[in-house]
Amino acid sequence: DIQMTQSPSSVSASVGDRVTITCRASQSIRSFLAWYQQKPGEAPELLIYLASNLQSGVPSRFSGRTSGTDFTLTISSLQPEDSATYYCQQAISFPLTFGGGTKVEIK
Amino acid sequence: QLQLQESGPGLVKPSETLSLTCTVSGGSITSSDFHWAWIRQPPGKGLEWIGSISYSGSTYYNPSLQSRVTISVDTSKNEFSLKLNSVAAADTALFYCTGFSTSSGWFDPWGQGTLVTVSS
Repeated sequence: DIQMTQSPSSVSASVGDRVTITCRASQSIRSFLAWYQQKPGEAPELLIYLASNLQSGVPSRFSGRTSGTDFTLTISSLQPEDSATYYCQQAISFPLTFGGGTKVEIK
Repeated sequence: QLQLQESGPGLVKPSETLSLTCTVSGGSITSSDFHWAWIRQPPGKGLEWIGSISYSGSTYYNPSLQSRVTISVDTSKNEFSLKLNSVAAADTALFYCTGFSTSSGWFDPWGQGTLVTVSS
């Protein structure tokens, strides 16, 4: 199975700050990576697919990059509504696996 | 716009079978753009893929659950279903049904989720 390791597990930042979350795959997954946002009490929502493609309707302050087996999700200017848990997911092979999640809190 | 809705019992006894159904609206379950999937999330924990199915019935299961899981599709009702047998307290979770992109492997859209508690 491909292991997805996310860091940090939590981050606290102020409105307007730049926040970066990292996801590392245990082997090559090319660009087959997705990012999801889950707010408390809600289902996850797709933010980014194929590592860097923004899902329709997602604000442009969200972006994704890849470098080998390392993937980053960046929120360029943190907003109050971005308080949530973020998950990465590899989509190259079964079993499909998720990272452990990163909780983003607003100071 | 495609929408998914889970339904089924919220309480299942240990050793019995958990059964859930996902109804797809706003589009056809036979779309070639999507397969369909079940994902679960224990309370306060992360996401675990359970398995996926195509409209033709081809299935892919998580090896960790494969011996206990069956996913099926009913194209006439535009729905797909999950059965998980021999459940235990560790199977207590929020269960989500989702679309699964056949081209890029991402999950979208998601149902709202249904909590299933395993308890006597």
